Amino acid sequence: AQTVTQSQPEMSVQEAETVTLSCTYDTSESNYYLFWYKQPPSRQMILVIRQEAYKQQNATENRFSVNFQKAAKSFSLKISDSQLGDTAMYFCAFMKHGAGNQFYFGTGTSLTVIP
Amino acid sequence: DTGVSQDPRHKITKRGQNVTFRCDPISEHNRLYWYRQTLGQGPEFLTYFQNEAQLEKSRLLSDRFSAERPKGSFSTLEIQRTEQGDSAMYLCASSLGTGDNSPLHFGNGTRLTVT
Repeated sequence: AQTVTQSQPEMSVQEAETVTLSCTYDTSESNYYLFWYKQPPSRQMILVIRQEAYKQQNATENRFSVNFQKAAKSFSLKISDSQLGDTAMYFCAFMKHGAGNQFYFGTGTSLTVIP
Repeated sequence: DTGVSQDPRHKITKRGQNVTFRCDPISEHNRLYWYRQTLGQGPEFLTYFQNEAQLEKSRLLSDRFSAERPKGSFSTLEIQRTEQGDSAMYLCASSLGTGDNSPLHFGNGTRLTVT
């Protein structure tokens, strides 16, 4: 079974600063995908960034980037130039390659951006 | 395309009653998922459809739960003889399914409260 661990239940960051959210996972699979999802208060969950395990290059989407360490099974999210709209729950998710496309989510990190 | 829509947004019911939720996925998406999310937790997988076929069911999905996707478009999730432990946010998601890394697109969820 796959497990995803987010060890930081809550974090805060000053507006315009940089923050890193951690995620580790446990799997015996060699081919898989990792995602970060954002869930703003009372709003739907949206995809922030994704990473294919076979790619060594870290994914980047504007102010969002990841630090993917496959050997360490670590997948952290860095948010640069934090904005008030970044305040949300952030979920790390794992999806194994192959049939089913079942996603496994962590318990989330609540991020508050302080003006 | 207005994204994944779920109805109703909120449902309050008395213990023992039956409830049914509806999900309309993004029109060209052939994969549809149901997840359950309780406070302070990440989404937990319930079941998954590829077109009209229900391909996976979680052990979380007791025999009081049934999901259908009769024409491969919208889906319904029914909970019979509701219990207080069923109180949660029920999330529907869809994906294009053309590749293994197709991300999930979530709806706003249906919040169920069983009194």
